[in-house]
Amino acid sequence: EVQLVESGGGLVKTGGSLRLSCVASGLSFHNAWMSWVRQPPGKGLEWVGRIKSETNGGTTDYAAPVKGRFTISRDDSKNTVSLQMDSLKTEDTAMYYCTTVQYYDFWSGLSQYFYYYMDVWGKGTTVTVS
Amino acid sequence: QSVVTQPPSVSEAPRQRVTISCSGSSSNIGNNAVSWYQQLPGKAPKLLIYYDDILPSGVSDRFSGSKSGTSASLAISGLQSEDEAGYYCVVWDDSLHAWVFGGGTKLTVL
Repeated sequence: EVQLVESGGGLVKTGGSLRLSCVASGLSFHNAWMSWVRQPPGKGLEWVGRIKSETNGGTTDYAAPVKGRFTISRDDSKNTVSLQMDSLKTEDTAMYYCTTVQYYDFWSGLSQYFYYYMDVWGKGTTVTVS
Repeated sequence: QSVVTQPPSVSEAPRQRVTISCSGSSSNIGNNAVSWYQQLPGKAPKLLIYYDDILPSGVSDRFSGSKSGTSASLAISGLQSEDEAGYYCVVWDDSLHAWVFGGGTKLTVL
């Protein structure tokens, strides 16, 4: 069974930094893409960013509100993905979830297509910026 | 204001069927597949549907998904009290190069 455990949340001042970690188990982590999603208190879900596997280049994508301030990295030796959050704003206050990213592939003619989706979610860690 | 819109709330009686809509555009739903998530109160979201209409193993077949053009829908049949939750659609947006969530729909079982 895949399990994700986030940690590192807490209270931080506006303009400060915080680093979240997510340890994964029950999967072949070095092949896994990973993602972060957040949820402000009483509000909906918001995608933060994702990191591809090293096999796929280890590249990252970010949502516009966090681009340039947040950085996602991975340590495959520790089955860990991290979210470094800098220049924090009050609107970054949220529960932060780590997710695995799974894919569904299919062939059309001679071409193979991949569809990626967020699969397993951790329980989350709370970040408060004030 | 999300680029993908859902009704804020829906309600229906037990044992009935309800549908939740998710409306987007050609840069997201019109060109990419949709996933749906259920979030029970105080819990982390759980995957219900991926690739528009595929149920992961272990998800009740009371749940079903569909898509037409730039809109997608989640249907829940045989409503039960434990289905009371928030439901979210999500899809990749080619213009934003990002996943976008709908605003979420709170389901109340009357």
